[in-house]
Amino acid sequence: DAGVIQSPRHEVTEMGQEVTLRCKPISGHNSLFWYRQTMMRGLELLIYFNNNVPIDDSGMPEDRFSAKMPNASFSTLKIQPSEPRDSAVYFCASSFPGGGNQPQHFGDGTRLSIL
Amino acid sequence: DQQVKQNSPSLSVQEGRISILNCDYTNSMFDYFLWYKKYPAEGPTFLISISSIKDKNEDGRFTVFLNKSAKHLSLHIVPSQPGDSAVYFCAASAPNTDKLIFGTGTRLQVFP
Repeated sequence: DAGVIQSPRHEVTEMGQEVTLRCKPISGHNSLFWYRQTMMRGLELLIYFNNNVPIDDSGMPEDRFSAKMPNASFSTLKIQPSEPRDSAVYFCASSFPGGGNQPQHFGDGTRLSIL
Repeated sequence: DQQVKQNSPSLSVQEGRISILNCDYTNSMFDYFLWYKKYPAEGPTFLISISSIKDKNEDGRFTVFLNKSAKHLSLHIVPSQPGDSAVYFCAASAPNTDKLIFGTGTRLQVFP
């Protein structure tokens, strides 16, 4: 079975550029999550979707961040303009709905470096 | 404020011995607790979970204990193996949300 697929695996770009991260969830999963991992704050939830609808975006740091889920098999996280402090590993995860009773399955992440 | 805390950033254990990873939480409304394991350059993978109505859940070498009065849970790995060397994250969820709150992780190293 294919797991959660994220692309690109690595992204290096200059400050001010637009960055788009992509995620394909596991087929049949209704919930999709975007996380950011940093040394200082660990794994932080940025936003999550149920049935392609954003449910909680309280973790999105600021207006430079946006996320979309145009269909059940694809989501994007966009940063525009990017800043050096956005450098982190970004994970996408998916699950069946049901809270903690339904474990989330993570992709291998995108390591983002903003110079 | 950190609702889920893992106060030990690292732990080193000899192969064959018990590894005990600890996690504290502040929100008494949490109803599920989960442990994830993460290898370098990979995403976290689900390991084991426990409902707040239980105090113990076991899966092979892995056992999670929950002490609700102390708002504390722990993951026991017996016996520890070198392949268990990874970062372990504790996570919690509250009712009526799919949101998980993660701790900052504990790096476990199992040496021969």
